[in-house]
Amino acid sequence: QKEVEQNSGPLSVPEGAIASLNCTYSDRGSQSFFWYRQYSGKSPELIMFIYSNGDKEDGRFTAQLNKASQYVSLLIRDSQPSDSATYLCAVGARSSGDKLTFGTGTRLAVRP
Amino acid sequence: NAGVTQTPKFQVLKTGQSMTLQCAQDMNHNSMYWYRQDPGMGLRLIYYSASEGTTDKGEVPNGYNVSRLNKREFSLRLESAAPSQTSVYFCASSAASGRASGELFFGEGSRLTVL
Repeated sequence: QKEVEQNSGPLSVPEGAIASLNCTYSDRGSQSFFWYRQYSGKSPELIMFIYSNGDKEDGRFTAQLNKASQYVSLLIRDSQPSDSATYLCAVGARSSGDKLTFGTGTRLAVRP
Repeated sequence: NAGVTQTPKFQVLKTGQSMTLQCAQDMNHNSMYWYRQDPGMGLRLIYYSASEGTTDKGEVPNGYNVSRLNKREFSLRLESAAPSQTSVYFCASSAASGRASGELFFGEGSRLTVL
C-alpha cells in the first residue's frame, strides 16, 4: 500500500524563523509532489508543487525533492502567525493514474 | 469567481437515510473528485471523474455512488447512511491531466454526521 508519512506535530516556531516540514513516501514510481495548506475548519489550498529533483522556490516557500531518498520537504522562510495551519503532503504516482495519496498533515504553529 | 461550490455545508442524518452531496465548478475543468477527511486518516479519494460521462472508484468507494451530470456538476450519493460515513467531504476539480492532475481546487467542504 502506498504511504505518505508526515510528523503530525505541532511544529512550533517563533515569528521570523524558518519552518521546515518533512514528508516521506513509499512508492518509488512517484512522480508528482504537492504541498497543500489547510487552515482549521477550511478546505485545502495548493501552495507548491514539484516534479523534479532539487529545489523550487516561490516567494517565502521552497519545496525540496530528493527522489533517491524518497523525501520531500517544504521550507517557509520568515514565518508569520498567518502561516499557522496544517500542511498536507500529497504524492502522485503513475501506477495510480497520478491520483494523489495524502499524508495526515503537520500542524504548524508560529509564535508571535 | 465561485470556483468549486458544494452543498449542503452541514447535514445530520439518521442511520439508513439517504442523501446527495452536490458539487459544481465554474472553471471548465475536466476532472472532478470526491474526498473524505477523517481525523488521523488524511484525505482519502472516494470517486473521481476524469471527464464528462466517466467515473471511477477511488480508495474508499464502498457505500457511495456518484454521477457526473455534465462537465460542471459531480454529485455524491449515500444510499443508506452509516455512522462510519460521518466525515467531512470535499469536492475538488483539476484542469490538468497526467502528473499535473494533482493541482486540485477544493470546495469548502460538507460536514456530515450520521447518528
